[in-house]
Amino acid sequence: EPEVTQTPSHQVTQMGQEVILRCVPISNHLYFYWYRQILGQKVEFLVSFYNNEISEKSEIFDDQFSVERPDGSNFTLKIRSTKLEDSAMYFCASTRSYEQYFGPGTRLTVT
Amino acid sequence: AQTVTQSQPEMSVQEAETVTLSCTYDTSESDYYLFWYKQPPSRQMILVIRQEAYKQQNATENRFSVNFQKAAKSFSLKISDSQLGDAAMYFCAYRWHNDMRFGAGTRLTVKP
Repeated sequence: EPEVTQTPSHQVTQMGQEVILRCVPISNHLYFYWYRQILGQKVEFLVSFYNNEISEKSEIFDDQFSVERPDGSNFTLKIRSTKLEDSAMYFCASTRSYEQYFGPGTRLTVT
Repeated sequence: AQTVTQSQPEMSVQEAETVTLSCTYDTSESDYYLFWYKQPPSRQMILVIRQEAYKQQNATENRFSVNFQKAAKSFSLKISDSQLGDAAMYFCAYRWHNDMRFGAGTRLTVKP
């Protein structure tokens, strides 16, 4: 069964550094998403992406965040200058219609 | 703005018994989707069940079923014959177009 994959599973970075989180959505899906989950809290929507552009973004998704689909398979989330409060699990999801399939997540730790 | 509320931070059930997790939401839309996701300790988000708002019939998926009350904006999850593997965080989610909102979650403990 096809699944969404994410790399790395765990990323440790120093405050102020740039990180890129990578996702490979399910191949015939058209809509892609990033979410984050701070430890012990709920899953929060960051951004949705369709037809090579952002279709919606939340108030969390400020100028330090960007997304890209550099080729036909990868979908990336870049955080330009990480802050301590960016430490969280980041989930990628994709869908063809309305049912979103989530990847296993990347745990980002900012020190 | 759409909000999703799960009023039960924690629930406990005896193995083989039935438990119901509550969820309410707030929306002015009429056509949307509702989901329950399970998050075990691995933190993977696993879809348990979905409900289309235009369908009156409650969704059922094996031991999992929902009670969808559109007028009341309520979407509860019933787990029958609970198993140890059901222990996890459960998140209720609302989706309208590309906007997906999650509740705060309910931690379910299953006692042997």
